Amino acid sequence: KAGVTQTPRYLIKTRGQQVTLSCSPISGHRSVSWYQQTPGQGLQFLFEYFSETQRNKGNFPGRFSGRQFSNSRSEMNVSTLELGDSALYLCASSLDGTSNYGYTFGSGTRLTVV
Amino acid sequence: AQSVTQLGSHVSVSEGALVLLRCNYSSSVPPYLFWYVQYPNQGLQLLLKYTSAATLVKGINGFEAEFKKSETSFHLTKPSAHMSDAAEYFCAVSDLSGSARQLTFGSGTQLTVLP
Repeated sequence: KAGVTQTPRYLIKTRGQQVTLSCSPISGHRSVSWYQQTPGQGLQFLFEYFSETQRNKGNFPGRFSGRQFSNSRSEMNVSTLELGDSALYLCASSLDGTSNYGYTFGSGTRLTVV
Repeated sequence: AQSVTQLGSHVSVSEGALVLLRCNYSSSVPPYLFWYVQYPNQGLQLLLKYTSAATLVKGINGFEAEFKKSETSFHLTKPSAHMSDAAEYFCAVSDLSGSARQLTFGSGTQLTVLP
C-alpha cells in the first residue's frame, strides 16, 4: 500500500515568486491536511480538504491557498513568497479527516525562499 | 481551544535507560491524543494514539503512553532506550468529536541517546 507522496521534496524559490506543492494521499483516503513546520513556530495547521471542499482553515494569510481534485490529490499554493515562508510543508492523509482513523504524513516538501 | 505543552525541549538519556517524554494537554472536550516521531529530513511517523479506549496505549518500537485525565497528561515512555530512538518527538491533540479536523501539536522534544 503506497504511502503519502509529496512532490517535490526540495524547492528553492525567490521572494515574490509563487510556488505549488503537491500531495497524493493514500489510496481510498478522502481527506488531505496541510501543515507548516518551522523552527520558530513549530507545526501549524494550514487547511484541510475533503471531497474537493475546504472544511477547515488555519490562521494563515490569503497568500496560502489549496485545492483538492476528484482523485483526492491536493495542491497548495503560496503566492508572493516571503523569506518567512521557508519551511517544511507536510501533508497528512486521512480516511475521513477525523481522528478516528488517524493521520498519515508524507515526507514533506522543504521550501527555501531566498 | 486545545493546546499541548511538552516539558523539556531537549532530553538526553543513556542507551538502555528509561525514556520519559512529558506531554500535558488542554481541551474542553474529551481528546484524542497522539505521539509522533520525526527523524531528520523526514515527515511524521505515528507512534501511538489514544482514542478513549484503554488508558495505557502501546505503540510501535516499544513505546507506550498512559492517559491520565486527572493530570491532563499523556507522557511517552520506553523502558530501554536504543540509539535508533534519537529523533524529535511530538505530542498532538484533536477533539474527540473530530469536528476540529486538525491536530494541535506541542513544540516537540529532541531526544538524544548517549552511548
